[in-house]
Amino acid sequence: DTEVTQTPKHLVMGMTNKKSLKCEQHMGHRAMYWYKQKAKKPPELMFVYSYEKLSINESVPSRFSPECPNSSLLNLHLHALQPEDSALYLCASSQEGYPVVSDTQYFGPGTRLTVL
Amino acid sequence: AQSVTQPDIHITVSEGASLELRCNYSYGATPYLFWYVQSPGQGLQLLLKYFSGDTLVQGIKGFEAEFKRSQSSFNLRKPSVHWSDAAEYFCAVVYPNAGGTSYGKLTFGQGTILTVHP
Repeated sequence: DTEVTQTPKHLVMGMTNKKSLKCEQHMGHRAMYWYKQKAKKPPELMFVYSYEKLSINESVPSRFSPECPNSSLLNLHLHALQPEDSALYLCASSQEGYPVVSDTQYFGPGTRLTVL
Repeated sequence: AQSVTQPDIHITVSEGASLELRCNYSYGATPYLFWYVQSPGQGLQLLLKYFSGDTLVQGIKGFEAEFKRSQSSFNLRKPSVHWSDAAEYFCAVVYPNAGGTSYGKLTFGQGTILTVHP
């Protein structure tokens, strides 16, 4: 089973709201990722957690705040977003701790975020 | 710089026809190669991957891909396309010798949108 789940499926928020995206995997994977995907573009890496510690932050604005409370759960806290942050947010996980070049990332279905 | 190229932005085929989607990588060392498929508004599903060994790789949904070192290519093929194959396809690579924070990073091509005519 290679399932990554994400909630909510859709989210609409105003620029002053605070919301969170949630990602879960129960495969025992040690690395978890957040990607942002704009329409008709490939996913762009935002953050990587390895063994529950932040390994990579791709210079993401501080209005995005990741959190990894345990090895199965990854959150993305959102605050004071801009309309240009509207996108599909994808979570992924991989078995080994990051980085392992031969590892495979498995993606969740994504959260479609709209910022008004 | 490490990159991966999908030369075709959009491909249209008739149902039942064969399909080949192109992917070229730029780096000298053999990368780890993946094909993902994304239906509209959905996440990415792994179709197949190549790390080493037999250069013809079988995947899910009847897809296969062939690694050709001489051409730096990893093209995806399907002998007979079904209407449900309409989606966007991403080739992705991990370069084993990338330095710094690029080490282990999954690099995506720009994607190829597949349209299937009945």
